[in-house]
Amino acid sequence: EAGVVQSPRYKIIEKKQPVAFWCNPISGHNTLYWYLQNLGQGPELLIRYENEEAVDDSQLPKDRFSAERLKGVDSTLKIQPAELGDSAVYLCASSDRTGVGADTQYFGPGTRLTVL
Amino acid sequence: LAKTTQPVSMDSYEGQEVNITCSHNNIATNDYITWYQQFPSQGPRFIIQGYKTKVTNEVASLFIPADRKSSTLSLPRVSLSDTAVYYCLVGDMRYGGATNKLIFGTGTLLAVQP
Repeated sequence: EAGVVQSPRYKIIEKKQPVAFWCNPISGHNTLYWYLQNLGQGPELLIRYENEEAVDDSQLPKDRFSAERLKGVDSTLKIQPAELGDSAVYLCASSDRTGVGADTQYFGPGTRLTVL
Repeated sequence: LAKTTQPVSMDSYEGQEVNITCSHNNIATNDYITWYQQFPSQGPRFIIQGYKTKVTNEVASLFIPADRKSSTLSLPRVSLSDTAVYYCLVGDMRYGGATNKLIFGTGTLLAVQP
């Protein structure tokens, strides 16, 4: 079974430039998460999708961050404009929330963003 | 919010059993406890999950006391390849649960030596 795919793996941009990250979840997984992970810290949830609906986006900085999940499969996370403090690893995870028991998330390898 | 606290680092030797404890004093009734392993340049990988008492799978055991204010991940007979960061995650992992309250700890760096 193919895992969660993210691209690009690495991205270097100058501040005030836009940047976008792409995630392809595990086939059939209806739930998709975007996390931010700073160096030496645990992941921090940015947004969760149930199919194409963003059901938890309270921790997404909406002034510069946006996300979409068209057709309930792939997702894109965008930052515009990027700031120096946005340098981090952006992780995507997916799960198959079936309503039975508790959820297990499967993570992609992440995109390491460096803002100069 | 259920904040979690873990030791920053631990050292062990190959073949030993390792126990990593996570404190989560404000855990809520609907919260589950999940442990993840993370290697450099990779995303976290699921190890084990539980709600109360003891859970065991092929790679680890999870001990949760009755008050659920802490949990202990037990790794039997560690090897060099178990060197990684281990995170405990506390949150409502049920379908429709409030995932905006998912809290990862800062992680424990386990270093296994020969």
